[in-house]
Amino acid sequence: EDQVTQSPEALRLQEGESSSLNCSYTVSGLRGLFWYRQDPGKGPEFLFTLYSAGEEKEKERLKATLTKKESFLHITAPKPEDSATYLCAVGYEAGNTPLVFGKGTRLSVIA
Amino acid sequence: DAGVIQSPRHEVTEMGQEVTLRCKPISGHNSLFWYRQTMMRGLELLIYFNNNVPIDDSGMPEDRFSAKMPNASFSTLKIQPSEPRDSAVYFCASRQGGGVYNSPLHFGNGTRLTVT
Repeated sequence: EDQVTQSPEALRLQEGESSSLNCSYTVSGLRGLFWYRQDPGKGPEFLFTLYSAGEEKEKERLKATLTKKESFLHITAPKPEDSATYLCAVGYEAGNTPLVFGKGTRLSVIA
Repeated sequence: DAGVIQSPRHEVTEMGQEVTLRCKPISGHNSLFWYRQTMMRGLELLIYFNNNVPIDDSGMPEDRFSAKMPNASFSTLKIQPSEPRDSAVYFCASRQGGGVYNSPLHFGNGTRLTVT
């Protein structure tokens, strides 16, 4: 059973059409939920960390929120340059331990 | 800040050949992670090191895979012999961590491996 599930797998938006990406997780004892952006041919680029339910972080047109079982990445009035794959990852053990990644949502924003 | 540096960016090799991927983590980071990314399975952890010591290699697919970290600024992932199913993008990531809560990983731009 996957510990981190992202939906939808792919999303196509018109420029300016706001939407949300979902990341649900089944691990207990969350030690951090992370959002990354990945462009083709590049490594994942860190966007946000959330640690507790109710926490929110914002960066330009992106806002990440966290509940006890899922996180949302809200994209407000997206632009074509927001097109990328967005990855969610969770940490579930204290210390210097790995993150478990979801398979990502491929976002395309059409002008 | 140079970020995590991986080499080569692309590697094309024939089945049976030895492949060595290299990684230089961010200076001052005390942990290093090797992940593999495919369309089918996404990002999968292969092995990670804390303070240059391998902690968990349970994600390494087979004995054909091995990884070393001889010092804090260099790590290698070796595949010998390589097989077509090893074709994927291999990422190295590092972080400075160790507390109760996890800190983010910082990734290199990966090595795209093609085994024919």
